[in-house]
Amino acid sequence: DAGVIQSPRHEVTEMGQEVTLRCKPISGHDYLFWYRQTMMRGLELLIYFNNNVPIDDSGMPEDRFSAKMPNASFSTLKIQPSEPRDSAVYFCASSLSKGAGEYGQPQHFGDGTRLSIL
Amino acid sequence: AQKITQTQPGMFVQEKEAVTLDCTYDTSDPSYGLFWYKQPSSGEMIFLIYQGSYDQQNATEGRYSLNFQKARKSANLVISASQLGDSAMYFCAMREAANFNKFYFGSGTKLNVKP
Repeated sequence: DAGVIQSPRHEVTEMGQEVTLRCKPISGHDYLFWYRQTMMRGLELLIYFNNNVPIDDSGMPEDRFSAKMPNASFSTLKIQPSEPRDSAVYFCASSLSKGAGEYGQPQHFGDGTRLSIL
Repeated sequence: AQKITQTQPGMFVQEKEAVTLDCTYDTSDPSYGLFWYKQPSSGEMIFLIYQGSYDQQNATEGRYSLNFQKARKSANLVISASQLGDSAMYFCAMREAANFNKFYFGSGTKLNVKP
């Protein structure tokens, strides 16, 4: 089975440019998560969706960041305008929901997008 | 307060020996799940093992086992017979029933396996 697919794997761009990161979750998964990983702050949850609806975006750093999930098989994370401090590895993850009392469903991560803003 | 604490930033282990990576957690929710992930230098996050708060036995997956001590709120990962390919960052994570789909991750432990 295909895992979570992210693109691009690497992105290098200049400050001020728009950056779009893409994610295809595992088919059938109803939750999708966007994380950012840096040495200083570790792994941070930015936003997550349930059935394509954003549930919690409290981790989105500021208005320059936006995320969409137009359908069950595709999500984007956009940064506009980008800044050097946005340089990080961005992960997308997906999971299945379970009923109360069942917590064993892990989050499955994509390979990440390594973003460098010059 | 930190939900997940990993106190070992880095560890070394000799190849073929066993190693324990520490994880303590903080929750007042009686229902929760604990997870370990491996992140090799290539960057991907790989799910290793899961332990539920109501599980009576410690979870095992091949060379990985989870030493679950509920009263101490610890969920240590034990890797038996270490291999060079085990060198990686290891993250402990937790989800609670109250906020089911939010995972809390620790800061990670960097494991180096020496030949």
